[in-house]
Amino acid sequence: QKEVEQNSGPLSVPEGAIASLNCTYSDRGSQSFFWYRQYSGKSPELIMFIYSNGDKEDGRFTAQLNKASQYVSLLIRDSQPSDSATYLCAVNNTGTYKYIFGTGTRLKVLA
Amino acid sequence: GAVVSQHPSRVICKSGTSVKIECRSLDFQATTMFWYRQFPKKSLMLMATSNEGSKATYEQGVEKDKFLINHASLTLSTLTVTSAHPEDSSFYICSARANLGTGGGAFFGQGTRLTVV
Repeated sequence: QKEVEQNSGPLSVPEGAIASLNCTYSDRGSQSFFWYRQYSGKSPELIMFIYSNGDKEDGRFTAQLNKASQYVSLLIRDSQPSDSATYLCAVNNTGTYKYIFGTGTRLKVLA
Repeated sequence: GAVVSQHPSRVICKSGTSVKIECRSLDFQATTMFWYRQFPKKSLMLMATSNEGSKATYEQGVEKDKFLINHASLTLSTLTVTSAHPEDSSFYICSARANLGTGGGAFFGQGTRLTVV
């Protein structure tokens, strides 16, 4: 069984702090990695993707990938209360086009 | 770009009836769409992969005769929950893979909250 694992949280951070969300995956054939944000009662929204080792920055978000350690993370700088949501990590094996999702980490940004 | 529209957003039906949910890619063509089910505070559970012009691929444990999937065009996939029962009540979400500079990320419809009474 291919797995993507995340700490369910909740992860609580004060407003303005850096939130660090982590994800590990078991399938070494995974080639693309995604972070989704899901507000309660809504469907997931794609916020970041990464497929090369290293860091990728987009505004307040930075995705980090380490394929040797099978680890991908998302950093949110200057966290805002509006960032409070569940963050889902997803991996994709290009051969199957199937996306495997983690269970998500619930983030709470405290005002 | 990469807009996926799902309808209806909310439906209440009587036990024993069938419900059809539509998923459309509005500004791109999607040869592959995915159908998920999500229970409260739980993660997405992939039900099936919908392939345009061919049969859907169902995940283990998902009854294909109960959850009928049709992907008749490059922009439309439908999920029909047949003979619905209260245990089928859930949040159903479709997604489509888009190659629009997003690394092949999947985009999600708004979801359909199904309540069977």
